[in-house]
Parts: sequence; C-alpha cells; structure tokens
Amino acid sequence: GAGVSQSPSNKVTEKGKDVELRCDPISGHTALYWYRQRLGQGLEFLIYFQGNSAPDKSGLPSDRFSAERTGESVSTLTIQRTQQEDSAVYLCASSTQENTEAFFGQGTRLTVV
Amino acid sequence: DAKTTQPTSMDCAEGRAANLPCNHSTISGNEYVYWYRQIHSQGPQYIIHGLKNNETNEMASLIITEDRKSSTLILPHATLRDTAVYYCIVRVGYGFKTIFGAGTRLFVKA
Repeated sequence: GAGVSQSPSNKVTEKGKDVELRCDPISGHTALYWYRQRLGQGLEFLIYFQGNSAPDKSGLPSDRFSAERTGESVSTLTIQRTQQEDSAVYLCASSTQENTEAFFGQGTRLTVV
Repeated sequence: DAKTTQPTSMDCAEGRAANLPCNHSTISGNEYVYWYRQIHSQGPQYIIHGLKNNETNEMASLIITEDRKSSTLILPHATLRDTAVYYCIVRVGYGFKTIFGAGTRLFVKA
C-alpha cells in the first residue's frame, strides 16, 4: 500500500482479555517500530524490528506485551490480560533503514473497560 | 540518548513565520536532528531533518547552530492547518528509540 496501515483503528476490550494489533508497513521498509501514546502525552517507544528480528525490546512495559514480525512485513503487537492502564493509541512506523525518516500509521486506539 | 527540550506551547498569527526552538545540548557528532508534527488524532508526520547544515524543503526550514546544541524549525507562512504538536528528536542507535517527549503545541490563530 501507499502508507503504513494499522488495524483495527479502534478496539474496545474487557479487562483481562488478550488483544492483537496489526501493522502493515510500507512495502520494502526493513525497519518497523511500535510506540504507545497515552492521552495528551508524547510517544513512548515499545519495540523496534530490523527485518524479522527485534534488536531492541527495551520499551515493552511488561511481560504481557509481545510482538513479532514475519516475512519482513506484517507485525503483530499482542497484549495479554489487558489492564485499564493499557488504554492508549498504539502507533506503528516503518522506514527503509535505520537512519532515515520513519512513516507512521494512523494508530490503533485501544480502550480497556 | 541525547535529550531535547522544547517550550510547552507557542502561538503564531496566521501568515507569519512560526519559529520553534529546540535545545539538544548533549547531542553527539553523528546524531541527526529530526522534526515531526502530530495533528490531532493522526499519526506523526515527518517534516525535516539535518546533521549540521541548514536544511529547507517544501514544508519548513531547519536552522542548526554551529555548535549543534540547538536548532530552530521555521514554518515560513503558518496556516491554521499547521496547528499541531511539534516534536524535536535526536536520532541515536537503532531506529527511533529516542523518546519523543511532549513536544511544542503550536497554535496558529487567525
């Protein structure tokens, strides 16, 4: 596609349920990033992929969070046993290599009730 | 990671130049300065980046001081649609690990 695509755009889930958020990066972009943005706050780095490998997972807030990437393309961010503090917009970005500008998707707004 | 500091908010009159400052006093020699903006309810949008020379593109100009400890993003003729949060970040290591921070909320007023 022309840009980074994320799905779903909105997700409401009950506390304790698992959720999967999907990111389709721009074709050919080898680097992929996940961020979290709580209401009124800046972006919080979660994880970075180079190809299918994640050299930096330092931003994942707990072991309930995990992410994978396959085929150097689609990435899935999984949050297990969701908590209310997980409510945020989850943003995905991709770039051609590490040192070029990243292009962001529109995000998935997650609401845990 | 080098940190950046930006004013919390700024106002600008429509049609005038908006000058957004950023301090990055601990920047390393190989780190680039990037600017992004985020319009309400949208993902961040790349604006411009530079290393040491001033840069200009169709959106903005970036002025980096000689010592590289600060920079200024210039929107030459601000419009109402430029109202957004502007993030100044410094690239280090892998990808965009650098925390974006709170940025500067620019209000362009008619």
